[in-house]
Amino acid sequence: KAGVTQTPRYLIKTRGQQVTLSCSPISGHRSVSWYQQTPGQGLQFLFEYFSETQRNKGNFPGRFSGRQFSNSRSEMNVSTLELGDSALYLCASSWDGTNTGELFFGEGSRLTVL
Amino acid sequence: DQQVKQNSPSLSVQEGRISILNCDYTNSMFDYFLWYKKYPAEGPTFLISISSIKDKNEDGRFTVFLNKSAKHLSLHIVPSQPGDSAVYFCAASVTSYDKVIFGPGTSLSVIP
Repeated sequence: KAGVTQTPRYLIKTRGQQVTLSCSPISGHRSVSWYQQTPGQGLQFLFEYFSETQRNKGNFPGRFSGRQFSNSRSEMNVSTLELGDSALYLCASSWDGTNTGELFFGEGSRLTVL
Repeated sequence: DQQVKQNSPSLSVQEGRISILNCDYTNSMFDYFLWYKKYPAEGPTFLISISSIKDKNEDGRFTVFLNKSAKHLSLHIVPSQPGDSAVYFCAASVTSYDKVIFGPGTSLSVIP
């Protein structure tokens, strides 16, 4: 069974640009969560989608948005990039979003903003 | 406001000895707790979990202890092996489809 796939793995952008990251969950998983990892901050929750609906949202500004498609694939978008957006963006999927179970993470997309 | 705290950024342990990683939380509504391990250039992987109705859960060399009154949990690794060297994240959630909140992580180094 294929794992969670995130693309692109690495990307470099400049301030003011926008970026779209993609996540393909494990087949059959309906929930996709996004996290931002920065040194010393751990994994900060961005949002969670379940059946194409945003079910949970973290405390990030509106520049961070996401969506989920009918095949459960998800994208997240960051507009008007800032230097502080440089981070590893991790996507995690689970079968129905019940958080009593484990999350399956992808390897992440490393974003560098210059 | 960090709801899940791991106050030790790093920990070094001799191979074969016990590793104890600590985690504190502030939200008394949390009722499910998880530990994840992360190697460089990889995503975190699930290690072990515990629900609030238990105070201990064991899986091989890994044991998680939960002290609800102190809002504290710990992960014990016995015996520690060099392959256990990784960053360990404590995480918590309120059931019923709430988000999973992660701590900042503790970097464990097991010295051969």
